[in-house]
Amino acid sequence: DAGVIQSPRHEVTEMGQEVTLRCKPISGHNSLFWYRQTMMRGLELLIYFNNNVPIDDSGMPEDRFSAKMPNASFSTLKIQPSEPRDSAVYFCASRTSSPGQGRYTGELFFGEGSRLTVL
Amino acid sequence: DAKTTQPPSMDCAEGRAANLPCNHSTISGNEYVYWYRQIHSQGPQYIIHGLKNNETNEMASLIITEDRKSSTLILPHATLRDTAVYYCIVVSGTYKYIFGTGTRLKVLA
Repeated sequence: DAGVIQSPRHEVTEMGQEVTLRCKPISGHNSLFWYRQTMMRGLELLIYFNNNVPIDDSGMPEDRFSAKMPNASFSTLKIQPSEPRDSAVYFCASRTSSPGQGRYTGELFFGEGSRLTVL
Repeated sequence: DAKTTQPPSMDCAEGRAANLPCNHSTISGNEYVYWYRQIHSQGPQYIIHGLKNNETNEMASLIITEDRKSSTLILPHATLRDTAVYYCIVVSGTYKYIFGTGTRLKVLA
């Protein structure tokens, strides 16, 4: 089964440019999370979607950051304009809210991440 | 902010049990304890979770104290591939998976 798919895996851009990171959650999952990871701050929760609706965006650092989820199979995280301090690894994770078969774990499934470098 | 405290690093000999402690003294009655690990720069991977009973799966065991203020993740026979950063998380509500700084476990040959 395909896991959470993120693109691009690596992005190098110059300060001031627009950056768009993409995420395809696992089919059937109705919750989606964006995280950012840096050495200084560790893993930070940026935004949480449930059924394509943003529920909590309190972790989004500034207005330069925006996230959308136009349908159940796609989400974007956009930074405009980008700054060097935005350099980080951005992870997308998805989760089902349904117990399904067996014991419900509430497990988050993470993608491989998008490593962003802003020069 | 993370609601857990973990030692920054630990070493374990290959083949021995790795016992990773976690303090969560402010945990509420309905909050679950989750453990994840992150190998190198990959995305974090779920290991196990629990509420108040001890839990075991194919990867690990989770021991939660009776007062729920702390827990221990046990990897029964650590291998070199278990070298990773291990995160103990108290999940608030339905979605606040707040990762702390974790424990960097190094399994030694």
